[in-house]
Amino acid sequence: GAGVSQSPSNKVTEKGKDVELRCDPISGHTALYWYRQSLGQGLEFLIYFQGNSAPDKSGLPSDRFSAERTGGSVSTLTIQRTQQEDSAVYLCASSLAGGPQYFGPGTRLLVL
Amino acid sequence: EDQVTQSPEALRLQEGESSSLNCSYTVSGLRGLFWYRQDPGKGPEFLFTLYSAGEEKEKERLKATLTKKESFLHITAPKPEDSATYLCAVQAALSGTYKYIFGTGTRLKVLA
Repeated sequence: GAGVSQSPSNKVTEKGKDVELRCDPISGHTALYWYRQSLGQGLEFLIYFQGNSAPDKSGLPSDRFSAERTGGSVSTLTIQRTQQEDSAVYLCASSLAGGPQYFGPGTRLLVL
Repeated sequence: EDQVTQSPEALRLQEGESSSLNCSYTVSGLRGLFWYRQDPGKGPEFLFTLYSAGEEKEKERLKATLTKKESFLHITAPKPEDSATYLCAVQAALSGTYKYIFGTGTRLKVLA
């Protein structure tokens, strides 16, 4: 079946602009996660959605970052007033409750 | 504090030279441990889930094992195509939800 998809695959933006990154999880997966991965680094947890529960936003690095999940499916990660240090690969994953996470291919964000 | 440590950070093997990667963890209420493979420019790919000490899982040249404090990913007679970063993650139950903690990975290079 279809895996996790993310769009765009690459995004180049100018410092100070807002960006939106999209994640389409695997159908039926109740949990959705966003991570950030800088070059050669590990995964940095950003936010976690589980069903209808309030999201766990504990990993968001600043109030410029926000995310929503509509209808328990598609999620959008928004970064406002982008900074150069926001440049990274943004990974989305989905899972059944308590199951392994399945990752998308990521969005490579470059802030000039 | 919940923590996952992977060693070594990097490993170079000759083709056919078997070895093991280590994932040690301290976590309250371990529910599961996951291994992933990540190729450059791609999202992590799920390999195995281990739930209890003594459990083993195998896939081709890879075998994952679990004890109460660590997991090993054994690679038997590796090939160049096994070159990748291998990540482990632990899952803990937390107040009706799940918490995942990722290690920083082992970068494996298999030389022909």
